[in-house]
Amino acid sequence: AQKITQTQPGMFVQEKEAVTLDCTYDTSDPSYGLFWYKQPSSGEMIFLIYQGSYDQQNATEGRYSLNFQKARKSANLVISASQLGDSAMYFCAMRDNTGNQFYFGTGTSLTVIP
Amino acid sequence: DAGVIQSPRHEVTEMGQEVTLRCKPISGHNSLFWYRQTMMRGLELLIYFNNNVPIDDSGMPEDRFSAKMPNASFSTLKIQPSEPRDSAVYFCASSSLGAGGHNEQFFGPGTRLTVL
Repeated sequence: AQKITQTQPGMFVQEKEAVTLDCTYDTSDPSYGLFWYKQPSSGEMIFLIYQGSYDQQNATEGRYSLNFQKARKSANLVISASQLGDSAMYFCAMRDNTGNQFYFGTGTSLTVIP
Repeated sequence: DAGVIQSPRHEVTEMGQEVTLRCKPISGHNSLFWYRQTMMRGLELLIYFNNNVPIDDSGMPEDRFSAKMPNASFSTLKIQPSEPRDSAVYFCASSSLGAGGHNEQFFGPGTRLTVL
């Protein structure tokens, strides 16, 4: 069964607008971690933001924020004030309670339009 | 900190040849992961090590693939013999597994393998 589901293969956003990339996850563990990574066309995987399952507040890192809805098992990434350099693939991932196993989604390709 | 180091960055080889990919994790990290990324299959976990011990190799496609981690600062992924369908980008990632912290994975730049 898919642990991480990203239902948007591709997204477009106008420069300076905000965009939400969807991610839902599946686990019965009470303790887990959720991550978002960015992969630009150059290929490297860049860690963006982390949300722990016990964190009370939504994580924020600069223009990135994570809309964590635990009951709905969703961990959507919100990028505010999109920039051309935000055009990339974005991957949602979950770390299980052992801390060892990571599960990645299939990714969402974001294109920022000038 | 140098980050995760992978070599070579690009490898072009002929079918049937042996290929060895190398990875140096971030110093102090105790978990290491090998991934393969293709357009068709996305990002696949091949194997991961914890404290140099292979924990889960269920993602290794077949016996042609093998991975070792002889010490905390070095790992190899070997394909013998290589086939055209092995062409992909291979990523190594490391993390620090322990109490506290996020345990996020830090990825290397990847090795782009082309098997002709």
